[in-house]
Amino acid sequence: QVQLVESGGGVVRPGRSLRLSCAASGFTFSSFGMHWVRQAPGKGLEWVAVILFDGSNKYYSDSVKGRFTISRDNSKNMLYLQMNSPRPEDTATYYCAKDAGRRDWGQGTLVTVSS
Amino acid sequence: FMLTQPHSVSESPGKTVTISCTGSSGNIASKYVQWYQQRPGSAPTTVIYEDDERPSGVPDRFSGSIDSSSNSAYLTISGLKTEDEADYYCQSYGNNNWVFGGGTKLTVL
Repeated sequence: QVQLVESGGGVVRPGRSLRLSCAASGFTFSSFGMHWVRQAPGKGLEWVAVILFDGSNKYYSDSVKGRFTISRDNSKNMLYLQMNSPRPEDTATYYCAKDAGRRDWGQGTLVTVSS
Repeated sequence: FMLTQPHSVSESPGKTVTISCTGSSGNIASKYVQWYQQRPGSAPTTVIYEDDERPSGVPDRFSGSIDSSSNSAYLTISGLKTEDEADYYCQSYGNNNWVFGGGTKLTVL
């Protein structure tokens, strides 16, 4: 069955960097677009970024454009989110999710941006 | 493009509840709508995908529909159980992005 496992979260100081990872299994990873979605504490779901199946195109929310970079390694079935210059308002649980079909989600990884 | 959901709904066990998700523009029927259930402290899980498809393992008490005349998608849960108490989010597509509704808190009392 589809499994998505995020890692890399933790406490990061504003302006530093953090890279989140998402390990995918149970499906043909290289055939599907992948998303990052986040949820601030007590808030709703917010879309962050998407990368197409072959990595040819990437799109970002206005709130992270220019600071975050989504990437993937289809040879390793891995999805990444490089978070540069994080801000306190980026504090959230970050989920990776598979596009198409039943839109499976990972369990999330918590990122806290604080000095 | 935005999706609007009621902030909260409540209903008694055994009853039926319908949660709406209204698109701000365009034709909601032109792009797939998904529904996610999120219990406290847990990740979202899909209960309906591609308007009205139910993943294996999701009870047939859950159903999805689209009404073009109201530009809305609907999630209907029949035979409510206390375990259905959760936040429910609709999701569709904007320009190359996912768009989420604000979420509806379902209370089963």
